[in-house]
Amino acid sequence: GQQVMQIPQYQHVQEGEDFTTYCNSSTTLSNIQWYKQRPGGHPVFLIQLVKSGEVKKQKRLTFQFGEAKKNSSLHITATQTTDVGTYFCAALKMNRDDKIIFGKGTRLHILP
Amino acid sequence: GAVVSQHPSRVICKSGTSVKIECRSLDFQATTMFWYRQFPKQSLMLMATSNEGSKATYEQGVEKDKFLINHASLTLSTLTVTSAHPEDSSFYICSASPLRTGSGYTFGSGTRLTVV
Repeated sequence: GQQVMQIPQYQHVQEGEDFTTYCNSSTTLSNIQWYKQRPGGHPVFLIQLVKSGEVKKQKRLTFQFGEAKKNSSLHITATQTTDVGTYFCAALKMNRDDKIIFGKGTRLHILP
Repeated sequence: GAVVSQHPSRVICKSGTSVKIECRSLDFQATTMFWYRQFPKQSLMLMATSNEGSKATYEQGVEKDKFLINHASLTLSTLTVTSAHPEDSSFYICSASPLRTGSGYTFGSGTRLTVV
């Protein structure tokens, strides 16, 4: 079945350093979504990418969708302690249920 | 914005008892809701898709008789963990989408189930 691979699984960075997480699929995706889950919390929707090669920015966060629509990345510039959490990519499963499949997530830890 | 309310947030129950978890869409109608299970420090595992007015669709390996899903209205889905055992202890989260373009899925706050 359709799978979404996400790397790295964990990332420790010094506060102020940049961070990137990558998401890859073996099949072409119709769209990809990104979510953030704070420790002890629930996933919160960040953004959806639909178009090939699309790039979207939210303040220090930059989201990219690959030209082939098989990969995506989330880049955070100059991390802050508030960025701590797990970042998940999620891809729409191509059937009538419209259910999304989550990557395993990248847990970001910020060192002060 | 779209809000999904999930109750209870935490529940402790004895082995062999059943626990019901509610998921409500507060400001939109949801013909479809999704139930996930999340183990500590792991990803969300889709358990089932709840369909209003019809049977839920379960993912492979999820026991239908153990995890009963009811979606009786356009704003409410319930998950009942029947005859709970300690291995059912987990974080259960529901989600729904208001189906607005680019809106993504809204998640409930989750239910931490502990079976003792």
